[in-house]
Amino acid sequence: GAGVSQSPRYKVAKRGQDVALRCDPISGHVSLFWYQQALGQGPEFLTYFQNEAQLDKSGLPSDRFFAERPEGSVSTLKIQRTQQEDSAVYLCASSRDRINGKLFFGSGTQLSVL
Amino acid sequence: AQRVTQPEKLLSVFKGAPVELKCNYSYSGSPELFWYVQYSRQRLQLLLRHISRESIKGFTADLNKGETSFHLKKPFAQEEDSAMYYCALSGPKEGFKTIFGAGTRLFVKA
Repeated sequence: GAGVSQSPRYKVAKRGQDVALRCDPISGHVSLFWYQQALGQGPEFLTYFQNEAQLDKSGLPSDRFFAERPEGSVSTLKIQRTQQEDSAVYLCASSRDRINGKLFFGSGTQLSVL
Repeated sequence: AQRVTQPEKLLSVFKGAPVELKCNYSYSGSPELFWYVQYSRQRLQLLLRHISRESIKGFTADLNKGETSFHLKKPFAQEEDSAMYYCALSGPKEGFKTIFGAGTRLFVKA
């Protein structure tokens, strides 16, 4: 594809709702990363996939956050029972491989929890 | 812990003036250092990386291992340089995940 694609672009959820955020990486990119970016802050690492394997989920803030990439391509970040503190921009990035280092970012999903 | 520090949240300069965006890092070993940029209404994108030793859009960055710094410089700022700039590092100690600083907003005045 032309680049990393994320949907939806904006999501408004009521507190307690579950949400699912989608990321479609660049075709052929082995590595996929999720970041959370709060207002005025830099991207904070959430989790990382190498193909379908989730190799690092140390950044997930609670067990309400869950990510998957079942076929090694599209990934979904799910947040259960959303809280106001979950409001942020969620960024997805992909790279050719883990060591390559150069990340290609999507436009992000802006989540607002009311 | 590995960390990236950008001490300035906002940097404002006049067009044609030199600009330096500061970045300091904490990492025991040899990380790879990056500068990412986000222009208004655009996605975050790589500006440059230290192993490439390249100059992009007139910007350069030198890795100073003694001072653990990777400052971004440009001799003559342009209005189109106005953007959010993030310093980042990656390395084996972090499983090659990229860690970002909080960012510096550069505003170039006409």
